Amino acid sequence: DSGVTQTPKHLITATGQRVTLRCSPRSGDLSVYWYQQSLDQGLQFLIQYYNGEERAKGNILERFSAQQFPDLHSELNLSSLELGDSALYFCASSVSPTGDEQFFGPGTRLTVL
Amino acid sequence: AQKITQTQPGMFVQEKEAVTLDCTYDTSDQSYGLFWYKQPSSGEMIFLIYQGSYDEQNATEGRYSLNFQKARKSANLVISASQLGDSAMYFCAMRGGDMTTDSWGKLQFGAGTQVVVTP
Repeated sequence: DSGVTQTPKHLITATGQRVTLRCSPRSGDLSVYWYQQSLDQGLQFLIQYYNGEERAKGNILERFSAQQFPDLHSELNLSSLELGDSALYFCASSVSPTGDEQFFGPGTRLTVL
Repeated sequence: AQKITQTQPGMFVQEKEAVTLDCTYDTSDQSYGLFWYKQPSSGEMIFLIYQGSYDEQNATEGRYSLNFQKARKSANLVISASQLGDSAMYFCAMRGGDMTTDSWGKLQFGAGTQVVVTP
């Protein structure tokens, strides 16, 4: 158990819908990262937050947004969902903003029908 | 731009033998970090080992060791005394270490190597 929690574990929804994925980092970790793992794209970095502020952005679509709250938990919002958004979404956390030893949560498996 | 290459899509290894998983990387950052993660069929990503670009000694964690050859830009993972529970997908990843670059913090992953340990 990495200490990073993600909810829900599985999510099945329809095209055009909006969902919110939640992540709680390990105790003491200030940095949160979101990754998407799909069969065709592999593991892709989406976005990083450090102590509530956005720090780095990767291949995140405009339909996706994220935020980190004062209690350091983070949410990833996916809207206008398409079939291609079906993937495993991971949250990771680390103590430092430079990403040393990122610990991953169990992931949320999103299926868009 | 950073790039991580894992050229072995899959490997079979016999129980109790050692296995080396290849990883090469390309970066213009002076400071960077290299990681290996294990992803079993259950899907979670398990952190195995980390090597900083300025670390002079190769990292070791139990049965895992990282063969870091900076000049060759390679960071191979060696698993000694393989066990059936080592069957999984293994990912090599890199992060840039310079906060002035857009590679700061984020991990870039290779395509992975599927390892199957046989009795």
